[in-house]
Amino acid sequence: SQELEQSPQSLIVQEGKNLTINCTSSKTLYGLYWYKQKYGEGLIFLMMLQKGGEEKSHEKITAKLDEKKQQSSLHITASQPSHAGIYLCGADFLYSGAGSYQLTFGKGTKLSVIP
Amino acid sequence: NAGVTQTPKFRILKIGQSMTLQCAQDMNHNYMYWYRQDPGMGLKLIYYSVGAGITDKGEVPNGYNVSRSTTEDFPLRLELAAPSQTSVYFCASSYSGSKGDGYTFGSGTRLTVV
Repeated sequence: SQELEQSPQSLIVQEGKNLTINCTSSKTLYGLYWYKQKYGEGLIFLMMLQKGGEEKSHEKITAKLDEKKQQSSLHITASQPSHAGIYLCGADFLYSGAGSYQLTFGKGTKLSVIP
Repeated sequence: NAGVTQTPKFRILKIGQSMTLQCAQDMNHNYMYWYRQDPGMGLKLIYYSVGAGITDKGEVPNGYNVSRSTTEDFPLRLELAAPSQTSVYFCASSYSGSKGDGYTFGSGTRLTVV
């Protein structure tokens, strides 16, 4: 079963529009990460959230972790073509094999921005 | 500071061939990971290591082997390559296995098996 659900799977927006991507878990989220990936490239770290209600912003991207720590949202204001790519959320889940936390990913949201 | 270095960046293998994907980090991180990413999917954990000499299976280990003889290196070996192993492979590292520790990713190896 997928421990992290991302929605939507894909998104096409016109340049200048705002958009939101969601990441939901049935488990409490510790160390929730947002990454961006351009096609054929590696992962670019955007933000990490740990505390319930926490919100972080970088340029026009804002990420929030809800109070219950089971859902995170990534909001882009006034989207630009440079925002296009795949957005991945990841979370630290306790991995029983080692008794340590492992980074588990959602399936990603593909964002296209039309000029 | 190079971070996590993966080689090669691209490789084409024939069915049944074998190869080793290299991963090295220079941050003195204890934990290292191998992920694969298939089209339209997130990353899935193949193997991980909590320190030199200690490795364990992740979610999708079949068809792969790893070793960790030093803190810096964590190679991933493919024996008898199959088309199902066509994917992009990412290596990552973290200092410890604690939540919120942060991870550093390599730039990936794109592997095609034909």
